[in-house]
Amino acid sequence: KQEVTQIPAALSVPEGENLVLNCSFTDSAIYNLQWFRQDPGKGLTSLLLIQSSQREQTSGRLNASLDKSSGRSTLYIAASQPGDSATYLCAVSPNMLTFGGGTRLMVKP
Amino acid sequence: EPEVTQTPSHQVTQMGQEVILRCVPISNHLYFYWYRQILGQKVEFLVSFYNNEISEKSEIFDDQFSVERPDGSNFTLKIRSTKLEDSAMYFCASNPRAVLGEAFFGQGTRLTVV
Repeated sequence: KQEVTQIPAALSVPEGENLVLNCSFTDSAIYNLQWFRQDPGKGLTSLLLIQSSQREQTSGRLNASLDKSSGRSTLYIAASQPGDSATYLCAVSPNMLTFGGGTRLMVKP
Repeated sequence: EPEVTQTPSHQVTQMGQEVILRCVPISNHLYFYWYRQILGQKVEFLVSFYNNEISEKSEIFDDQFSVERPDGSNFTLKIRSTKLEDSAMYFCASNPRAVLGEAFFGQGTRLTVV
């Protein structure tokens, strides 16, 4: 059974810092890895999708990498802003998604 | 930009009552899903739906749950007899291509069973 773990569970940084969120999964037989953002009490906003044949994806200040063989992904956020404060979730598939527990990020002005 | 729409945003119901949660997936998507998130816990898969039938379901999705696509746009989750432990945020998602596609989620319905 696939297990997804995210470290750290919570992170507080000053504005402007570059930061890395980690995601690990136990079964490397995945098709996709997807990163989401979740604001308190809200839905899930898709940030990046990495297909299993890809190594990384970039969108603006976000860069996600995937090392399928080692069961790891990282989400790099450059020049963090207070508006980045949210919970970040990673999830892996085939078909249905298995989610990690998330990293709760607080960026302080 | 196309989005997944869920109604209602919040529903309070008494234990034992039936509830129907509604979703309008993105119009050209073919695969539909329900997930739930109990407060403070991980997002959990409930069921996937393709070509008017269930393609996969989790252990959580027991006989109390059912899904339906009653017309060309709506996708519903019914809970027949709600229990206190059904209180959670329920998310609908859709995907154009299943295994290789990007899943898009709605804003969720917060179900509170009292």
